[in-house]
Amino acid sequence: ILNVEQSPQSLHVQEGDSTNFTCSFPSSNFYALHWYRWETAKSPEALFVMTLNGDEKKKGRISATLNTKEGYSYLYIKGSQPEDSATYLCAFNSGGSNYKLTFGKGTLLTVNP
Amino acid sequence: NAGVTQTPKFQVLKTGQSMTLQCAQDMNHEYMSWYRQDPGMGLRLIHYSVGAGITDQGEVPNGYNVSRSTTEDFPLRLLSAAPSQTSVYFCASSYSGKSNEKLFFGSGTQLSVL
Repeated sequence: ILNVEQSPQSLHVQEGDSTNFTCSFPSSNFYALHWYRWETAKSPEALFVMTLNGDEKKKGRISATLNTKEGYSYLYIKGSQPEDSATYLCAFNSGGSNYKLTFGKGTLLTVNP
Repeated sequence: NAGVTQTPKFQVLKTGQSMTLQCAQDMNHEYMSWYRQDPGMGLRLIHYSVGAGITDQGEVPNGYNVSRSTTEDFPLRLLSAAPSQTSVYFCASSYSGKSNEKLFFGSGTQLSVL
């Protein structure tokens, strides 16, 4: 069983703060790293799929970086808003197909107005 | 475009009962899968399918059956429900199942087994 660790487990920030969290994964057999955003009572929704070392992706105020050699990815949120409150999941793909995805436990972000 | 549709949203079963969780997608995705989400754990793969007529086991398949008679539908059957199957279940799909394809998730089914 592969180890995909996300830290912190949870955090609370004030509206307007920038924040970041980490996903750590094995540095071997890397195929892809997925980030999903999961709001309470809704479906997880894909943010990014990253495949190359050094990849940087951006979607509005959210961005992500990838280091496959050392086995980590950072997710950054600039100027957090209450609507950013959600659980952020990362998933490491160790094979060529999505049945090889291993999910982390997630980081629960709460943004206080 | 409805995406991935899961039913029911909530279900309570007694130990030993059977039921089927329905999943349908209208995106012509070949790859479909079922996950369970338990407190303190990441999503765990139960079963998956890479096309009509093809299914395979994931990490936690015991107590569950699947079939894929059409591209659109991928039902999950609980044969004889046990309290350990109390969980939130998600259906997810992607175009062909390649590792660089994002998953599209259904809205989830919260299942309680008493």
